[in-house]
Parts: sequence; structure tokens; C-alpha cells
Amino acid sequence: KAGVTQTPRYLIKTRGQQVTLSCSPISGHRSVSWYQQTPGQGLQFLFEYFSETQRNKGNFPGRFSGRQFSNSRSEMNVSTLELGDSALYLCASSSLRGSGRVNTGELFFGEGSRLTVL
Amino acid sequence: GDSVTQMEGPVTLSEEAFLTINCTYTATGYPSLFWYVQYPGEGLQLLLKATKADDKGSNKGFEATYRKETTSFHLEKGSVQVSDSAVYFCALISQGGSEKLVFGKGTKLTVNP
Repeated sequence: KAGVTQTPRYLIKTRGQQVTLSCSPISGHRSVSWYQQTPGQGLQFLFEYFSETQRNKGNFPGRFSGRQFSNSRSEMNVSTLELGDSALYLCASSSLRGSGRVNTGELFFGEGSRLTVL
Repeated sequence: GDSVTQMEGPVTLSEEAFLTINCTYTATGYPSLFWYVQYPGEGLQLLLKATKADDKGSNKGFEATYRKETTSFHLEKGSVQVSDSAVYFCALISQGGSEKLVFGKGTKLTVNP
């Protein structure tokens, strides 16, 4: 089956602009997580969505936001871009286990959206 | 909070050499442990996992054993290949804790022919 698809793959923005990144999860996966990857900080968790609800959130400012649609596709938005927002943004999907919707940690990642802020 | 510490490298080896990448963790709850691998230009993919103490995860010749007494999950491979060149991430998820996958900073491995 098709993997996780992220668009766009590359984009360049200037400071102060906003950006929206899109993620289509593996069919049947209802949990979508977003990570920011930078050389200095490594992989940092942004947020997780399940059934259109934010289930978990990392320590990022309010400029970073996301949402999930009824078909499980997800978008993340970064407003008022800063130079430090330049990064690879990774989306991952998973199927949660059991009625308790337990996160097993087995994530399927997309190839990422590489954002450069000038 | 939960955290993972791994040797940052980079690590450079010759083909057929033995590989060890150290990983230690701090966690609340009862963590499951993972190694993910990122090949150049690609997203991460799960390499192996272990869900309880003394479990050994293995895949593609790589192994790691969940050591609760030393809070470690070191990655090993007996004979690396050029195709193993990638960045390796140790990670944990703590059930009863934050329930989010927490990653180490990654170790870049280069294998030369």
C-alpha cells in the first residue's frame, strides 16, 4: 500500500511569511504525528492528531499549529516564519492499538518537507 | 521527562567491521525501545524494537537488547556493509508517561568499501 506522502518536498520562504505543509497517512492509519528535524536539535516532536483531535503536543510556540481532517490527512502551519524554523518537517502515521488507542511507537514516516527560511 | 542519549558520532567503519552504537535512556512509566534508520534523502524507518526488559530486537543483521538494569539499548551488527551507511536513531515511548516517541540525536554511520 502507498506510504506516507508529504507535500511540498521543498520550499523556500522569507521571514515573516507563513507556510502550510500537508501529509497523507497510510490508508487506515488514523494517527498522524509531526516532527521537526534540525542538525542541532535532532528530532523534536511537534504534535499528534487522532480522529481530528490533537492528542499530544510538544514544546513549540503557538506559531506552530496543525489540524487533521476526517480522511486522516493532516496539515501543519507555521506563521510568522523565523530563520530558526528552517528544518526538515517529518510526518508519521500509525495505527493505535486497541480500544485504549495506545501509541505503540511504530511510526511510518514520510520523506519530509524541507523548509528554508531566508 | 523522558530522554534518550546516544553516541553522536560520526562513525566511520570499513566493510565487514563490527558495529556498536550506544544508547541509554531515562523514562517514566514502562518504555518500549526502538532503533530507527534514516537513509540519505529518505524519512525514518523502523529497524527494530523491544517492548520489555531482556527482549532482544533484531532485523537485517542488527540486534539490540533491552537492559533495564543499565537503562541501555545498544545497537550491534557483526559485519556492516556499505549499504548500512545511514543515520541511526534510538527512541523510546513510555506508556503511562508522555506517550510520545522521543528520539536521541542520531548517529551517522559511514561504511567504506
